[in-house]
Parts: sequence; structure tokens; C-alpha cells
Amino acid sequence: LAKTTQPISMDSYEGQEVNITCSHNNIATNDYITWYQQFPSQGPRFIIQGYKTKVTNEVASLFIPADRKSSTLSLPRVSLSDTAVYYCLVGYYGGSQGNLIFGKGTKLSVKP
Amino acid sequence: EAGVTQFPSHSVIEKGQTVTLRCDPISGHDNLYWYRRVMGKEIKFLLHFVKESKQDESGMPNNRFLAERTGGTYSTLKVQPAELEDSGVYFCASSQDGWEKLFFGSGTQLSVL
Repeated sequence: LAKTTQPISMDSYEGQEVNITCSHNNIATNDYITWYQQFPSQGPRFIIQGYKTKVTNEVASLFIPADRKSSTLSLPRVSLSDTAVYYCLVGYYGGSQGNLIFGKGTKLSVKP
Repeated sequence: EAGVTQFPSHSVIEKGQTVTLRCDPISGHDNLYWYRRVMGKEIKFLLHFVKESKQDESGMPNNRFLAERTGGTYSTLKVQPAELEDSGVYFCASSQDGWEKLFFGSGTQLSVL
């Protein structure tokens, strides 16, 4: 599985848009990019997944440039409840492996 | 639909004792995974079941850890005998199709004294 690099922490204020970038220089052709969110005392929660260009759901958007060596998770108009750790994972889609590499994640702190 | 359930939520035991953690995946999910986070470290993979078969157990730290999934439903993770370094949060996750979208439980906080 490709190794990823994310900022350790980010601060934001309520109502702002937050963009968290993840670098994955060694991403393989069949790899997909997945983001998880984790609140204290809970397990990680799936947010969004993509392969290329842009993916949007009710929670976030995921932007992936043509070379796919990085990706950006965009959270529109964050609230205090978005304070959490965000993990970027890269892996082969359809593979049976579960050996996900979570890394340290990005700790997002949203302030009032 | 019920999510992934883990029991107990917390366990405090003494070094040398045995502890068994349980995970009930989402009904119909063939894939079941165990992960753990020890203090200050990253979440690390332990093993992966497909139904009742162990697909990948490369993350199991040593033979003091034994995971089972009889009948392909719930799973147990036994630590025997427990050591101090086993303290941490043990997460279980399940999925229908593979790793792409995992549903995690809230974890079991294990403290070995």
C-alpha cells in the first residue's frame, strides 16, 4: 500500500472551508484514495473515496489531480463537530487485503 | 441497521491474565478486520477474516494473540497471557466487499497493569 503524508494538525474557524492535502507519490495505477474521520473514543468513519478528478458527497469533496500523486479533502463550512482526526489511505481497489496504513492523520481543530 | 459492536468497551486486567474481546460485525458482512492502536502510536492492522477463514494475519504481534470467527459471524480476539505492551485500543471493522469502505466499531480500551 502506498505511503501517505499529511499535515499533523490544522486549525480552522466555524463556517470556513477546510482543505487537507495528502501526498502519495508512489500511488499505483489500480490504487484508490480513501479518507476516514475519527472522533475521540470512536472508530474511524468512512468519508469519501475516489480515483481521479473530483468526487463529491453530502459530507465532503475529494480533489485528485491528473498525476494522482496527491489528493485534497475539502470540508465546506466546518462546524465545531468537524473537530476530529482525518486519515488519508491509498490502496488497491478490489483487493482482499486489509492491511490499511493509517498513518498519523491530520488533527483538525475547529474553533468558534 | 445495527453497526459494528464491540464488547467490552473497557477492560482492565493484570499482567499474565487472559482477556477476550468480542466483535459483532454488520450482518451480511463477510469481511472482518481487527486493528489496534497502542499508546501514542498509529492504528495498525492485526488480521482479516473472510467469513470464517483468516485471509491475512500478518499483523498479529505474536502467538499470545488468537483470533477466531466461528461460523463466519462474530469474532473473538484472545490475549493470553496479557503483557503491559498489549495495552491500547482494539478496533474491529467489517465490510461487504473489501477494504474500500470499512465500518468500524467504537473499540475496546484494554489496560494491562
